[in-house]
Amino acid sequence: EPEVTQTPSHQVTQMGQEVILRCVPISNHLYFYWYRQILGQKVEFLVSFYNNEISEKSEIFDDQFSVERPDGSNFTLKIRSTKLEDSAMYFCASSEYGVTGELFFGEGSRLTVL
Amino acid sequence: ELKVEQNPLFLSMQEGKNYTIYCNYSTTSDRLYWYRQDPGKSLESLFVLLSNGAVKQEGRLMASLDTKARLSTLHITAAVHDLSATYFCAVEGYNAGNNRKLIWGLGTSLAVNP
Repeated sequence: EPEVTQTPSHQVTQMGQEVILRCVPISNHLYFYWYRQILGQKVEFLVSFYNNEISEKSEIFDDQFSVERPDGSNFTLKIRSTKLEDSAMYFCASSEYGVTGELFFGEGSRLTVL
Repeated sequence: ELKVEQNPLFLSMQEGKNYTIYCNYSTTSDRLYWYRQDPGKSLESLFVLLSNGAVKQEGRLMASLDTKARLSTLHITAAVHDLSATYFCAVEGYNAGNNRKLIWGLGTSLAVNP
Protein backbone atom coordinates (compact mmCIF):
# COMPACT_ATOMS: atom_id res chain seq x y z
CA GLU A 1 0.00 0.00 0.00
CA PRO A 2 1.38 3.44 -0.87
CA GLU A 3 2.59 5.43 2.08
CA VAL A 4 4.09 8.74 3.04
CA THR A 5 7.66 8.39 4.23
CA GLN A 6 9.57 10.84 6.39
CA THR A 7 13.21 11.21 7.32
CA PRO A 8 14.83 11.48 9.76
CA SER A 9 12.68 9.75 12.32
CA HIS A 10 14.44 11.61 15.09
CA GLN A 11 16.82 14.56 15.00
CA VAL A 12 18.56 16.27 17.88
CA THR A 13 19.98 19.70 17.22
CA GLN A 14 21.40 22.69 19.02
CA MET A 15 19.41 25.88 19.30
CA GLY A 16 20.12 28.18 16.36
CA GLN A 17 20.99 25.41 13.95
CA GLU A 18 19.20 24.79 10.68
CA VAL A 19 17.16 21.65 10.27
CA ILE A 20 15.66 20.08 7.15
CA LEU A 21 12.93 17.50 7.48
CA ARG A 22 12.17 15.42 4.43
CA CYS A 23 9.02 13.79 3.16
CA VAL A 24 8.15 11.64 0.19
CA PRO A 25 4.40 11.94 -0.40
CA ILE A 26 2.31 9.31 -2.12
CA SER A 27 3.20 9.53 -5.79
CA ASN A 28 -0.14 10.52 -7.33
CA HIS A 29 -1.07 12.98 -4.63
CA LEU A 30 -1.23 16.66 -5.43
CA TYR A 31 -1.60 18.35 -2.06
CA PHE A 32 1.04 18.30 0.63
CA TYR A 33 0.96 19.43 4.22
CA TRP A 34 3.10 19.83 7.27
CA TYR A 35 1.63 19.54 10.74
CA ARG A 36 3.34 19.53 14.08
CA GLN A 37 2.50 18.13 17.47
CA ILE A 38 4.21 19.29 20.62
CA LEU A 39 4.48 16.40 23.05
CA GLY A 40 1.12 15.62 24.60
CA GLN A 41 -0.67 18.41 22.77
CA LYS A 42 -2.91 18.67 19.77
CA VAL A 43 -1.92 18.50 16.16
CA GLU A 44 -1.35 21.94 14.63
CA PHE A 45 -1.47 22.91 10.98
CA LEU A 46 1.69 24.53 9.64
CA VAL A 47 1.42 24.80 5.88
CA SER A 48 -0.22 23.42 2.78
CA PHE A 49 1.42 23.22 -0.62
CA TYR A 50 -0.05 22.77 -4.06
CA ASN A 51 1.19 23.33 -7.57
CA ASN A 52 4.67 24.21 -6.32
CA GLU A 53 3.60 26.98 -4.03
CA ILE A 54 2.29 27.53 -0.56
CA SER A 55 -1.50 27.63 -0.57
CA GLU A 56 -1.90 28.42 3.09
CA LYS A 57 0.21 28.81 6.19
CA SER A 58 -0.60 29.22 9.84
CA GLU A 59 0.67 31.89 12.22
CA ILE A 60 3.17 29.32 13.50
CA PHE A 61 4.80 29.20 10.07
CA ASP A 62 6.88 32.35 10.39
CA ASP A 63 9.96 33.47 8.49
CA GLN A 64 12.05 30.78 10.15
CA PHE A 65 10.14 28.12 8.25
CA SER A 66 10.17 27.32 4.57
CA VAL A 67 8.98 24.47 2.38
CA GLU A 68 10.24 23.25 -0.91
CA ARG A 69 9.60 20.56 -3.46
CA PRO A 70 13.11 20.30 -4.85
CA ASP A 71 12.31 17.49 -7.25
CA GLY A 72 9.30 15.45 -8.32
CA SER A 73 9.16 13.35 -5.21
CA ASN A 74 10.53 15.09 -2.11
CA PHE A 75 8.80 17.72 -0.01
CA THR A 76 10.95 19.41 2.63
CA LEU A 77 10.41 21.58 5.67
CA LYS A 78 13.32 23.77 6.68
CA ILE A 79 13.69 25.54 9.99
CA ARG A 80 16.44 28.12 9.61
CA SER A 81 17.37 28.83 13.20
CA THR A 82 15.77 26.41 15.59
CA LYS A 83 14.39 27.47 18.94
CA LEU A 84 13.67 25.35 21.99
CA GLU A 85 9.95 25.64 21.33
CA ASP A 86 10.39 24.06 17.92
CA SER A 87 10.84 20.72 19.66
CA ALA A 88 7.91 18.64 18.45
CA MET A 89 6.85 15.82 16.20
CA TYR A 90 6.50 17.02 12.63
CA PHE A 91 4.09 15.16 10.40
CA CYS A 92 3.98 15.32 6.64
CA ALA A 93 0.71 14.46 4.91
CA SER A 94 -0.52 14.23 1.38
CA SER A 95 -3.88 13.91 -0.28
CA GLU A 96 -5.40 13.30 -3.67
CA TYR A 97 -7.86 16.16 -3.85
CA GLY A 98 -11.39 15.44 -4.90
CA VAL A 99 -11.35 11.72 -4.14
CA THR A 100 -12.02 10.82 -0.52
CA GLY A 101 -10.39 13.94 0.84
CA GLU A 102 -8.44 11.77 3.20
CA LEU A 103 -5.03 12.83 4.42
CA PHE A 104 -2.36 10.19 4.64
CA PHE A 105 0.25 10.91 7.26
CA GLY A 106 3.84 9.86 7.50
CA GLU A 107 5.33 8.36 10.63
CA GLY A 108 6.61 11.73 11.74
CA SER A 109 9.99 13.27 12.46
CA ARG A 110 10.73 13.98 16.08
CA LEU A 111 12.80 17.14 16.49
CA THR A 112 14.54 17.82 19.76
CA VAL A 113 16.18 21.23 20.14
CA LEU A 114 18.68 21.54 22.99
CA GLU B 1 -12.72 30.87 12.64
CA LEU B 2 -13.32 27.16 12.82
CA LYS B 3 -12.82 25.66 16.28
CA VAL B 4 -13.06 22.02 17.24
CA GLU B 5 -13.79 20.77 20.73
CA GLN B 6 -13.57 17.21 21.92
CA ASN B 7 -14.79 15.73 25.13
CA PRO B 8 -13.86 14.11 27.26
CA LEU B 9 -10.13 14.75 26.99
CA PHE B 10 -9.33 11.81 29.21
CA LEU B 11 -11.30 8.61 29.48
CA SER B 12 -10.56 5.58 31.59
CA MET B 13 -12.92 2.71 31.08
CA GLN B 14 -13.19 -0.96 31.82
CA GLU B 15 -13.05 -3.66 29.24
CA GLY B 16 -16.45 -4.63 28.00
CA LYS B 17 -18.03 -1.24 28.63
CA ASN B 18 -19.48 1.19 26.09
CA TYR B 19 -18.71 4.87 25.80
CA THR B 20 -19.00 7.82 23.42
CA ILE B 21 -16.51 10.53 22.54
CA TYR B 22 -17.94 13.81 21.28
CA CYS B 23 -16.59 16.27 18.75
CA ASN B 24 -18.22 19.68 18.33
CA TYR B 25 -17.18 22.25 15.77
CA SER B 26 -18.05 25.88 15.36
CA THR B 27 -18.69 26.59 11.68
CA THR B 28 -20.13 24.76 8.72
CA SER B 29 -18.09 21.91 7.36
CA ASP B 30 -18.89 18.91 5.21
CA ARG B 31 -16.00 16.68 6.17
CA LEU B 32 -14.92 15.29 9.47
CA TYR B 33 -12.19 12.81 10.22
CA TRP B 34 -11.36 10.58 13.13
CA TYR B 35 -7.76 9.56 13.69
CA ARG B 36 -6.11 7.28 16.16
CA GLN B 37 -2.65 7.87 17.58
CA ASP B 38 -0.67 5.40 19.67
CA PRO B 39 2.02 6.89 21.92
CA GLY B 40 4.96 8.16 19.87
CA LYS B 41 3.38 7.01 16.65
CA SER B 42 1.78 8.61 13.64
CA LEU B 43 -1.86 9.37 12.94
CA GLU B 44 -3.93 6.50 11.64
CA SER B 45 -7.07 7.36 9.74
CA LEU B 46 -10.13 5.68 11.20
CA PHE B 47 -13.10 7.30 9.53
CA VAL B 48 -13.89 9.94 6.96
CA LEU B 49 -17.41 11.32 7.33
CA LEU B 50 -18.54 13.22 4.29
CA SER B 51 -22.19 14.09 4.73
CA ASN B 52 -24.93 14.73 7.22
CA GLY B 53 -26.16 11.52 8.76
CA ALA B 54 -23.07 9.58 7.75
CA VAL B 55 -22.41 6.57 9.93
CA LYS B 56 -19.40 4.32 9.61
CA GLN B 57 -18.41 1.31 11.63
CA GLU B 58 -15.19 -0.60 11.95
CA GLY B 59 -15.03 -3.33 14.56
CA ARG B 60 -15.91 -1.91 17.96
CA LEU B 61 -15.86 1.70 16.77
CA MET B 62 -18.72 3.55 15.16
CA ALA B 63 -18.62 7.17 14.03
CA SER B 64 -21.48 9.43 13.05
CA LEU B 65 -21.88 12.96 11.80
CA ASP B 66 -24.67 15.49 12.29
CA THR B 67 -23.72 18.55 10.27
CA LYS B 68 -26.74 20.52 11.44
CA ALA B 69 -25.75 20.10 15.06
CA ARG B 70 -22.06 20.37 14.10
CA LEU B 71 -21.46 17.24 16.10
CA SER B 72 -19.72 13.96 15.52
CA THR B 73 -19.62 11.01 17.88
CA LEU B 74 -17.22 8.10 18.15
CA HIS B 75 -18.92 5.26 19.95
CA ILE B 76 -16.95 2.45 21.51
CA THR B 77 -18.73 -0.84 22.03
CA ALA B 78 -17.46 -3.47 24.46
CA ALA B 79 -14.05 -1.87 24.81
CA VAL B 80 -10.89 -3.96 24.73
CA HIS B 81 -7.39 -3.02 25.86
CA ASP B 82 -6.15 -2.72 22.26
CA LEU B 83 -8.34 0.33 21.82
CA SER B 84 -6.22 2.28 24.28
CA ALA B 85 -4.87 5.27 22.33
CA THR B 86 -5.55 8.94 21.72
CA TYR B 87 -8.41 9.69 19.35
CA PHE B 88 -8.53 12.93 17.43
CA CYS B 89 -11.30 14.44 15.42
CA ALA B 90 -10.38 16.87 12.69
CA VAL B 91 -12.73 19.09 10.74
CA GLU B 92 -12.08 20.40 7.29
CA GLY B 93 -12.07 24.12 6.76
CA TYR B 94 -11.35 26.27 3.75
CA ASN B 95 -9.56 29.55 3.40
CA ALA B 96 -10.51 32.36 1.03
CA GLY B 97 -8.58 30.67 -1.76
CA ASN B 98 -10.64 27.51 -1.35
CA ASN B 99 -7.63 25.66 -0.01
CA ARG B 100 -8.25 22.97 2.50
CA LYS B 101 -6.86 22.57 5.97
CA LEU B 102 -7.78 20.42 8.91
CA ILE B 103 -8.53 21.91 12.30
CA TRP B 104 -7.91 19.42 15.06
CA GLY B 105 -9.48 18.76 18.41
CA LEU B 106 -7.27 18.32 21.45
CA GLY B 107 -7.71 14.57 21.38
CA THR B 108 -9.27 12.10 23.78
CA SER B 109 -6.80 9.93 25.62
CA LEU B 110 -8.50 6.58 26.13
CA ALA B 111 -7.28 3.97 28.58
CA VAL B 112 -9.09 0.65 28.63
CA ASN B 113 -8.40 -1.28 31.80
CA PRO B 114 -8.89 -4.99 32.45
